[in-house]
Amino acid sequence: DAGITQSPRHKVTETGTPVTLRCHQTENHRYMYWYRQDPGHGLRLIHYSYGVKDTDKGEVSDGYSVSRSKTEDFLLTLESATSSQTSVYFCAISERPMEGYTFGSGTRLTVV
Amino acid sequence: RKEVEQDPGPFNVPEGATVAFNCTYSNSASQSFFWYRQDCRKEPKLLMSVYSSGNEDGRFTAQLNRASQYISLLIRDSKLSDSATYLCVVNTVNTGNQFYFGTGTSLTVIP
Repeated sequence: DAGITQSPRHKVTETGTPVTLRCHQTENHRYMYWYRQDPGHGLRLIHYSYGVKDTDKGEVSDGYSVSRSKTEDFLLTLESATSSQTSVYFCAISERPMEGYTFGSGTRLTVV
Repeated sequence: RKEVEQDPGPFNVPEGATVAFNCTYSNSASQSFFWYRQDCRKEPKLLMSVYSSGNEDGRFTAQLNRASQYISLLIRDSKLSDSATYLCVVNTVNTGNQFYFGTGTSLTVIP
C-alpha cells in the first residue's frame, strides 16, 4: 500500500477551537486531497492540492483552510470548529488522478 | 442534482449469488470511472477502474455506458468477504480534476 498517514486518528474538540489535521505521504505524489464523509452524503471534497503551495477549493470548503509547504504534508485547518464539522476526514493522494486515488485511514473528529 | 447517484441498498444476498450494482452520473464530460470498496469504519480502496469497453477482474465485471451515463458492477459467486459498501466514483477534468463519489451501495453476503 502507498505510504500515507493521517494524524490524529481520533479527536474530540470543543466548539470554537482551532483544529489542524495532518496528512503525510512518502510516495512523492503530486496531488493531495481532503474529503469528509458523512452519512447520506458520501465523500465530499473540501480542498485539494496539485503541488507545493498550489491549492484549490472543493465543494464544501467553507470553514476550512489548507496548506502545503512541502510535497509530503497537506494540512487541513478548521479555524473555529463547529458541530457541523463533526465527521470522518480522509486524505487521499495521487500521482495520476485518471488512475485513481489512495486514501489514508481517516481521522474521526467530534466537535462538542 | 447530485453528480453521482447510487442505489444505497442494502443488498443482502446468499453466498454464491450474483449481484449487480448500478450508478448514474450527471456530467457528460466525465472521463474516468471507478469502483471503490469501503469496509465498515475503514478507508475506501480502489476495486477497479471502469473502461469504455468493459473490464473484468476475476469475479468482478465493470461496464460503462456513456450514452446513458451509467456504470455497473457485477459480482459473481459472492463470498462472505465481499460484504462491504461499494462506491461509484467519477472524475471530471473540466471541474478541476475532481472526483465525485456516490453515497455507496451496501452489500451483505449471507452464509
